[in-house]
Amino acid sequence: EIVLTQSPATLSLSPGERATLSCRASQSVSSYLAWYQQKPGQAPRLLIYDASNRATGIPARFSGSGSGTDFTLTISSLEPEDFAVYYCQQRSNWPPLTFGPGTKVDIK
Amino acid sequence: EVQLVESGGGLVQPGGSLRLSCAASGFTFSSYEMNWVRQAPGKGLEWVSYISSSGSTIYYADSVKGRFTISRDNAKNSLYLQMNSLRAEDTAVYYCARSCTMVRGVFDYWGQGTLVTVSS
Repeated sequence: EIVLTQSPATLSLSPGERATLSCRASQSVSSYLAWYQQKPGQAPRLLIYDASNRATGIPARFSGSGSGTDFTLTISSLEPEDFAVYYCQQRSNWPPLTFGPGTKVDIK
Repeated sequence: EVQLVESGGGLVQPGGSLRLSCAASGFTFSSYEMNWVRQAPGKGLEWVSYISSSGSTIYYADSVKGRFTISRDNAKNSLYLQMNSLRAEDTAVYYCARSCTMVRGVFDYWGQGTLVTVSS
């Protein structure tokens, strides 16, 4: 099973700042990594798939990069609606599909 | 508009059973692979089960293998999860999630979730 770790656990930033979230895999997942956003009381929403492809309707301020074992989700300038929990997920070697533990982006 | 609506959650005693349903609309259900993903209170996401578009291929997480059964009825645009021998650690919000057509293993649409509580 591929284990994903995310850092930091919590990121405290102000609106307008740049957010950089990290996801590391226990073994190479090639580019088969996705990112999701989840707000309290809501279902997750797909942001990025295959490391760097934005899902339909996702704003350009969200970008993903990386390959192999190290990945980054960048939010170029935080909007008030971006404060949420972000999960990475791999589809390289499954079952099982696995998620990281999440990074919470909260308001500083 | 794609919609996934789960139902069937509730309070059940340890060792009990529950059947979750997910009603799909707004897309050709029979063409899509489907999944169940759960989230324990205050915790992260855990993939539970996958079923192919025809129902011929099924996968489970080790944590539920032998206790849960995924199925679908394409004529009724519905996905199901039969949960038996429930344990306290199965307490979670259960989401049905659609797999992307060309990107297997990525979830592009999610339902709002249904809460399952296993407690005496």
